[in-house]
Amino acid sequence: EIVLTQSPTTMAASPGEKVTITCRASSSVSYMHWYQQKPGASPKPWIYDTSKLASGVPNRFSGSGSGTSYSLTISSMETEDTATYYCQQWSSNSLTFGSGTKLEIK
Amino acid sequence: EVQLVESGGGLVQPGRSLKLSCAASGFTFSDYYMAWVRQAPTKGLEWVASISYDGGSTYYRDSVKGRFTISRDNAKSSLYLQMDSLRSEDTATYYCTTFIPPGWFAYWGQGTLVTVSS
Repeated sequence: EIVLTQSPTTMAASPGEKVTITCRASSSVSYMHWYQQKPGASPKPWIYDTSKLASGVPNRFSGSGSGTSYSLTISSMETEDTATYYCQQWSSNSLTFGSGTKLEIK
Repeated sequence: EVQLVESGGGLVQPGRSLKLSCAASGFTFSDYYMAWVRQAPTKGLEWVASISYDGGSTYYRDSVKGRFTISRDNAKSSLYLQMDSLRSEDTATYYCTTFIPPGWFAYWGQGTLVTVSS
């Protein structure tokens, strides 16, 4: 099973600050997908196929990476971005999620 | 509008069974792989099982193999999860999702809570 390690586990950013969340895979994967979840709500697809924004996602978000290292970046933090973000991969019938990164506003 | 509505959750004793259902609407159900993803209280997300378009192929995480069965009825646009021999560690909110190859979850239901406790 491929293990996904997200960092940091929690972080706080000021409005306007650039934010980067990293997801490292224990083996190489072809794509990484990201979800946003707010308290009491279902997860929402946020970035798929490594770098494609899901419908309605603001373009201050971006995704990148390859192999075993992937990242989600917010170019300018906004209050509404407060949430937990999960990375996820599917490879050779192994489907796993990262443990999540809780992002808060300072 | 795509809607996935789960039902069937509740409190169940260890070792007993429960069947979850998911009613889909707003899209052509038979065009999508489907899956169940769960989330234990205050924990992260965990894939449980997936099923192909026609139900001919199914996939499970190791911890539920032999205990859970995923199935679908395309005529009724419905997805199911039969859960047998339930354990306390199966306690979670179970989400019905659409699964898009090469492997992401595009639509999610609101979830149904399963609590396994005596």
